Amino acid sequence: DAKTTQPPSMDCAEGRAANLPCNHSTISGNEYVYWYRQIHSQGPQYIIHGLKNNETNEMASLIITEDRKSSTLILPHATLRDTAVYYCIVRAMDSSYKLIFGSGTRLLVRP
Amino acid sequence: NAGVMQNPRHLVRRRGQEARLRCSPMKGHSHVYWYRQLPEEGLKFMVYLQKENIIDESGMPKERFSAEFPKEGPSILRIQQVVRGDSAAYFCASAPGNTIYFGEGSWLTVV
Repeated sequence: DAKTTQPPSMDCAEGRAANLPCNHSTISGNEYVYWYRQIHSQGPQYIIHGLKNNETNEMASLIITEDRKSSTLILPHATLRDTAVYYCIVRAMDSSYKLIFGSGTRLLVRP
Repeated sequence: NAGVMQNPRHLVRRRGQEARLRCSPMKGHSHVYWYRQLPEEGLKFMVYLQKENIIDESGMPKERFSAEFPKEGPSILRIQQVVRGDSAAYFCASAPGNTIYFGEGSWLTVV
């Protein structure tokens, strides 16, 4: 079962920041927070991941709270092409390394 | 999606036939994962393989499904005696370590 909780849907205006929350209150010390997105009929796309420090790349920023029980993915300037389902995933670094997907957040970017 | 190649992209099979889906991981990646996505549902983990070894098959149906990742060549997901409920998108992913990259998927339709 997924170890994260996300709102089922959100929307934001094009050009504005999209802030997608995720709760992972049972996260363990060796578990990372990963974000993927899936645009309709495409494969999941890796966005970003982090352990405890905030992370930023060309796609997004990841803010992890100090207690690591929640995080926020920030798309700084959302475009229509960012409309997708966004998955927050906690991934244990055990021998399997698999990703367990939950229901995600369906983000709609409005013109 | 960074070079994970899946084929065929679309496959139609009659009930009772066999389906073979192929996945070529990114160059240098020795870990392969298979996921299934039923219509209007989330991604479900099926199996994790390394070269010539099945590491975790906890998500594989007990019958008719098998997977391999030979020393040479692509990973193969094989579905024998397909039924209509097997109609889904099948995604392959590969990883060198911390980050998993997905292919664009193979869409199986059973008629």
